[in-house]
Amino acid sequence: QKEVEQDPGPLSVPEGAIVSLNCTYSNSAFQYFMWYRQYSRKGPELLMYTYSSGNKEDGRFTAQVDKSSKYISLFIRDSQPSDSATYLCAMSESAGNQFYFGTGTSLTVIP
Amino acid sequence: NAGVTQTPKFRILKIGQSMTLQCTQDMNHNYMYWYRQDPGMGLKLIYYSVGAGITDKGEVPNGYNVSRSTTEDFPLRLELAAPSQTSVYFCASSRDSNEQFFGPGTRLTVL
Repeated sequence: QKEVEQDPGPLSVPEGAIVSLNCTYSNSAFQYFMWYRQYSRKGPELLMYTYSSGNKEDGRFTAQVDKSSKYISLFIRDSQPSDSATYLCAMSESAGNQFYFGTGTSLTVIP
Repeated sequence: NAGVTQTPKFRILKIGQSMTLQCTQDMNHNYMYWYRQDPGMGLKLIYYSVGAGITDKGEVPNGYNVSRSTTEDFPLRLELAAPSQTSVYFCASSRDSNEQFFGPGTRLTVL
């Protein structure tokens, strides 16, 4: 079983839609949860970073962590064509430990 | 700040050749990482370093070597290139090991 599972998509939505991206994991020791955005032929860039359970909001982006279900989500409100990218979840047990990445979900927002 | 820079951007190697992928960061980060990204496979950690003079293996270290003589530089060495090493290689750095900043990547093809 993989440490982190992520639906690869592709996901295609109209501009303005709400997008939900999800990852599940098997290691209950994970405490740090990240979402990265990767444009084509570029390096990943950090979008959201959360510690333990709960929600975190930053503009149009909301990250949710449910440790009891071992499930994390990223919501994008009012999606824009510029949001078209691959979204990667990542998680680690503690500071200094290895990150485990999902395989990424490819998102296209259609104008 | 230039952030994380990687050279070269592209390279084609013949089987059995060797090469060094360069990575430099100007953010005075202690932690540095090398990942490879294959289509549909997400990011896999090759090696990481928690400071100058200290390196450790990640998930897929076979066929690679690293060194960390300075805080800024973290080169990745391929000694005997194999077709299985065809991939996109990303270097990353972080201050506290939980928010990683990625370079633009090196696309390597081994024929």
